[in-house]
Amino acid sequence: DVKVTQSSRYLVKRTGEKVFLECVQDMDHENMFWYRQDPGLGLRLIYFSYDVKMKEKGDIPEGYSVSREKKERFSLILESASTNQTSMYLCASVGSGSNQPQHFGDGTRLSIL
Amino acid sequence: GENVEQHPSTLSVQEGDSAVIKCTYSDSASNYFPWYKQELGKRPQLIIDIRSNVGEKKDQRIAVTLNKTAKHFSLHITETQPEDSAVYFCAAKYGNEKLTFGTGTRLTIIP
Repeated sequence: DVKVTQSSRYLVKRTGEKVFLECVQDMDHENMFWYRQDPGLGLRLIYFSYDVKMKEKGDIPEGYSVSREKKERFSLILESASTNQTSMYLCASVGSGSNQPQHFGDGTRLSIL
Repeated sequence: GENVEQHPSTLSVQEGDSAVIKCTYSDSASNYFPWYKQELGKRPQLIIDIRSNVGEKKDQRIAVTLNKTAKHFSLHITETQPEDSAVYFCAAKYGNEKLTFGTGTRLTIIP
């Protein structure tokens, strides 16, 4: 069974802080994703990585960056956190080809004060 | 990129009745359409998916239909039960493994 683990379920940070959200998957998946989930807006893609050190912007990349130094780990970075980045963040992974479903982590509820 | 619209945003049905959620997509190249269920405080979990070479797929009380010409797909839940209460998301695959999600439907089953 695929396991996607996010390092924190709840996180509270202050405006201007640098924030790291970590995600690890155990299925050797090439593709990993960071989404943001807000009420009424569904899941919106922030960044996507299709291989180690490879990344691609999603629909809402502003204010975020990512790092993928190892295949199993994908990090989301808020360079200077702002209150409008308070949200639920979801990580997902999937292998390549054959139209397989993405598998999600439990999410990190991030509050920026 | 892809655009996915989902309706309705909220749906209440009596226990035992059927529920239908509809989605439309914009990119005719999309070829994979998963549906996710998200219970309160939990991760989204896949409940059923359909590929573009198939018109309908069933799994017990859940079915999905796909109309490629009209670019819409629907989720059907029959004989609804209280545990079906959740938020449901449709999605369409575009590009390299990327999904665009609908905005979600909050389904409430009334006992």
